[in-house]
Amino acid sequence: TQLLEQSPQFLSIQEGENLTVYCNSSSVFSSLQWYRQEPGEGPVLLVTVVTGGEVKKLKRLTFQFGDARKDSSLHITAAQPGDTGLYLCAGLEYGNKLVFGAGTILRVKS
Amino acid sequence: GAVVSQHPSWVICKSGTSVKIECRSLDFQATTMFWYRQFPKQSLMLMATSNEGSKATYEQGVEKDKFLINHASLTLSTLTVTSAHPEDSSFYICSARVGIAYGYTFGSGTRLTVV
Repeated sequence: TQLLEQSPQFLSIQEGENLTVYCNSSSVFSSLQWYRQEPGEGPVLLVTVVTGGEVKKLKRLTFQFGDARKDSSLHITAAQPGDTGLYLCAGLEYGNKLVFGAGTILRVKS
Repeated sequence: GAVVSQHPSWVICKSGTSVKIECRSLDFQATTMFWYRQFPKQSLMLMATSNEGSKATYEQGVEKDKFLINHASLTLSTLTVTSAHPEDSSFYICSARVGIAYGYTFGSGTRLTVV
């Protein structure tokens, strides 16, 4: 099983600040996904990136897939308290298995 | 959109008893479903891959006799925790893949507490 390193593990920021979460691996994934999870609920898909170098935007969230398809980043602009949650990156191995990073707990204080 | 329904959302059971968790795909057929376990403030750990009509594939270190998986139809997979012990207390989540564009759809999870 391939490994995904996600950082930082915990982030506490003030409302309005920007932040970036990183997801890195030494292996290539066929695609990479970002999820957000609220306490006591299952993860909810935010985005899937498939092509190396791909950039996707979802309102204040910007997702990037590395050229070599081994790393990805999530950038949030002007964070709001509603962005608080657990963010998970997950790489799809060839063979249908989804490998999760350790997760980033984000807390945005008002 | 594709929805995976997981039931129950929480359960408390006595040590030594068995608990069954259901995972249903509501508006699509899922030949493959996945079962994860998650500890507080940690990521999801894949336990097993459930295949319709065949035996499940378990990850290394997961006891197949303790975590029984049945995938008898294209819309239902079940996970039974047998002879549960307090260390089995955790958040269990199922998921199914709905094509590349939709990624994986996850159930809402089941909080199991063994007392």
